[in-house]
This record gives sequence, C-alpha cells and structure tokens, in this order.
Amino acid sequence: DGGITQSPKYLFRKEGQNVTLSCEQNLNHDAMYWYRQDPGQGLRLIYYSQIVNDFQKGDIAEGYSVSREKKESFPLTVTSAQKNPTAFYLCASSSGPILFATEAFFGQGTRLTVV
Amino acid sequence: AQKITQTQPGMFVQEKEAVTLDCTYDTSDQSYGLFWYKQPSSGEMIFLIYQGSYDEQNATEGRYSLNFQKARKSANLVISASQLGDSAMYFCAMREGSRGSARQLTFGSGTQLTVLP
Repeated sequence: DGGITQSPKYLFRKEGQNVTLSCEQNLNHDAMYWYRQDPGQGLRLIYYSQIVNDFQKGDIAEGYSVSREKKESFPLTVTSAQKNPTAFYLCASSSGPILFATEAFFGQGTRLTVV
Repeated sequence: AQKITQTQPGMFVQEKEAVTLDCTYDTSDQSYGLFWYKQPSSGEMIFLIYQGSYDEQNATEGRYSLNFQKARKSANLVISASQLGDSAMYFCAMREGSRGSARQLTFGSGTQLTVLP
C-alpha cells in the first residue's frame, strides 16, 4: 500500500543531543514537508522540499536541519540548538506544490520528548 | 496577524445531529485554497474537504460540507448526522498561491469535537 511512514513513533532525547526523525514515502510525490505541533495548537511548518536536493526553510526552521538526497526520503534532524524540541512532528507529502494539489498526505507522526 | 482563526477550542454535539465548526481566514491573494483536516487521538492528519477560492459551489464530501462565504472570509465545516467516530480535533488550513515560491498550508489552532451518545 502506498503511504508515508514516519519512525519512530515515540522518541526520547537527552538535552544536548541531536536526533533524526525518519520520513519515507512511496507515493512518488515530489514535495515533502515537516510540521511541528505543540499541545492545543495547529501545525507550523519547519522545512519543505519541492524536489530532490532542494529544500527551503519554513516558519520555524531554527534548530532543525533536513536533507533530500532521495525522492522517497526527507529526514529531519533536531539539533541541540533547538531550545524546546518536545513536540509532535508530522511529515507530509504532495504530488506537486501544495498549490496545485487538493490534499497533502500525512504520516502518523513522531512524538519527541526531551528528558 | 492570524491567517486562520478557529474560535471554538471545544464543541459538543449529540450523536446523529449536525454540527458546524467555524473557520475564518485572512489573505490578500485572489487565488487560495481552504482545507479541513481531522486529527484523531492517534495523531495522523486525515484530509476531509477542499474549497478553491474560485469554486462557485460549496464543496461536499459525503457527510462533510464546507459553507464558503467569500465576502466574509469564512469557511465553516458542517458535519451532518454526527457519529461517535467523528470525535477528534479538526483543523482548518489555507494555502495562498499567487506569489513567491512558498507553497505551504497554514493551519488554525483547531477545534476539539466530542460526539455524545
């Protein structure tokens, strides 16, 4: 079945450590996105990528990094520079720029907790 | 300024009744799209319905319909014949599309809907 897979579902990180969240899709989608969701709030865009080897910062990119070496994969690294990383992270993909797509497909999310 | 405003943090509805979830938006673009997503407690975001700014008719998808009032900049979601499985968080989102390279969805803060038996 086609879809987006995020792993792990739950992740614990010690303060000062970098951690990488995985996002893989087999939908042949060009565009991929990372969002952060805090309790009781909507989603905020961290980074997005329209094509392989290209990505742009979203609204809250500080303390995060991404890569897009393969069309299927868009991993997100939460660095030690991110002061408040505890949140729910969602990855999404769409067949083209969201402008021209009527929906974006989301993964099931990764809940990151700093201990 | 908030681009998407959802003023109802929580809503309750009796099973089998209809419910309206409010959403207002702010944009100066002529071309834009409005989306509604459902987020159950498991966390995934489920696409429900889409309305384009140039669509003359209100969008409908099964029990979901979007009450689009362009002059008021509102895009309320109507769920008819509520079911217990409709209990979830609902997000309104907008993509603006006339300029720049950013093609993203901007989300509201959500409405937690609880369907009562």
